[in-house]
Amino acid sequence: QKEVEQDPGPLSVPEGAIVSLNCTYSNSAFQYFMWYRQYSRKGPELLMYTYSSGNKEDGRFTAQVDKSSKYISLFIRDSQPSDSATYLCAMSEVGSARQLTFGSGTQLTVLP
Amino acid sequence: EAGVTQFPSHSVIEKGQTVTLRCDPISGHDNLYWYRRVMGKEIKFLLHFVKESKQDESGMPNNRFLAERTGGTYSTLKVQPAELEDSGVYFCASSLRQGIAFFGQGTRLTVV
Repeated sequence: QKEVEQDPGPLSVPEGAIVSLNCTYSNSAFQYFMWYRQYSRKGPELLMYTYSSGNKEDGRFTAQVDKSSKYISLFIRDSQPSDSATYLCAMSEVGSARQLTFGSGTQLTVLP
Repeated sequence: EAGVTQFPSHSVIEKGQTVTLRCDPISGHDNLYWYRRVMGKEIKFLLHFVKESKQDESGMPNNRFLAERTGGTYSTLKVQPAELEDSGVYFCASSLRQGIAFFGQGTRLTVV
């Protein structure tokens, strides 16, 4: 069983839609939760960073962490064609070298 | 400020040859990480440098892989001899202390 499970998609939505991306994990030691966005032929770019449980909002993006369910989400409001990319969840443990454990990524296409 | 720079961006080599990948981290970042994504799989941790010291190399697949970070600045990852299963995208990331990791654009390695 993978430590982090992420639906690979592909996910296709119309412009303006609300997008929900999710990951589940099995390692209860994970404390840091991140969402990266990766455009084709580029490296992962950090979008959101959350420590422990709770919500965090940044513009059109909201990250949620539910440690009791070992479930994290990223919501994108008013999605734009420029949001079309692969979204990767990543996690790490407290006190480790912050090495990240990634999900496999969800490919999102926002249609104009 | 320059980001994490990797080169080459793409390398095609024959099985049995040697390839050296280079990573220039963000200036001042003591932490440097190597990750790899092979086809169809998630991004996986390879190793972590703090300055010139290897902090964690638990993700290195075998002794055909050698990473160095002389002087605590740029890092190289050498694969010798390369095998077909080494094909993938190799990412480098750097961070301040135990902070957020910023990724380079990756080196796409193809072993034929």
